[in-house]
Amino acid sequence: EAGVTQFPSHSVIEKGQTVTLRCDPISGHDNLYWYRRVMGKEIKFLLHFVKESKQDESGMPNNRFLAERTGGTYSTLKVQPAELEDSGVYFCASSQGPGNTEAFFGQGTRLTVV
Amino acid sequence: GENVEQHPSTLSVQEGDSAVIKCTYSDSASNYFPWYKQELGKGPQLIIDIRSNVGEKKDQRIAVTLNKTAKHFSLHITETQPEDSAVYFCAASIRSGFQKLVFGTGTRLLVSP
Repeated sequence: EAGVTQFPSHSVIEKGQTVTLRCDPISGHDNLYWYRRVMGKEIKFLLHFVKESKQDESGMPNNRFLAERTGGTYSTLKVQPAELEDSGVYFCASSQGPGNTEAFFGQGTRLTVV
Repeated sequence: GENVEQHPSTLSVQEGDSAVIKCTYSDSASNYFPWYKQELGKGPQLIIDIRSNVGEKKDQRIAVTLNKTAKHFSLHITETQPEDSAVYFCAASIRSGFQKLVFGTGTRLLVSP
């Protein structure tokens, strides 16, 4: 069974450009989470989807970030326009049940804004 | 909101020694405490977790202890091996049904042969 996959694995963009990250959760997992680790600090929660609905987006830093999960399958996280402080590693995770099951993480997308 | 502090940030041990990583949390409502291991180029992988109704849990060479009164929990790795070298993250959450995890800043463990 395929795990959580994210792409691209790396992205280098200039300040002001747009970048879209994609996450494919494990098939059948209704819960999808986005997290971010900036500058070697803690991994921070961004938002949580249950199927196609945003359950909790309290961690989204500002309105330059837009997450979607059309059809309740894969998810995209768009940053527009990107700023230097957006650099970091973006992780996606998915879990099967209503929350009391393990969340499996993808390998992450390393975003560098220059 | 919840805040999780993790120490040390780096830990170097000799193969066969034990390693201990400690975390403290601030929200007394937190009731689920997982530990993740992140190897180079990979995402965090759950290695062990503990719920607030349990004081200690062990799985082969790894164990986790929880002190609810002091609001701290620790990861213990015995008989360390070079393949244990990785970054370890503690986390806490209020398991109201969703895994909104609050992570510590990570500990880089290096096990030398």
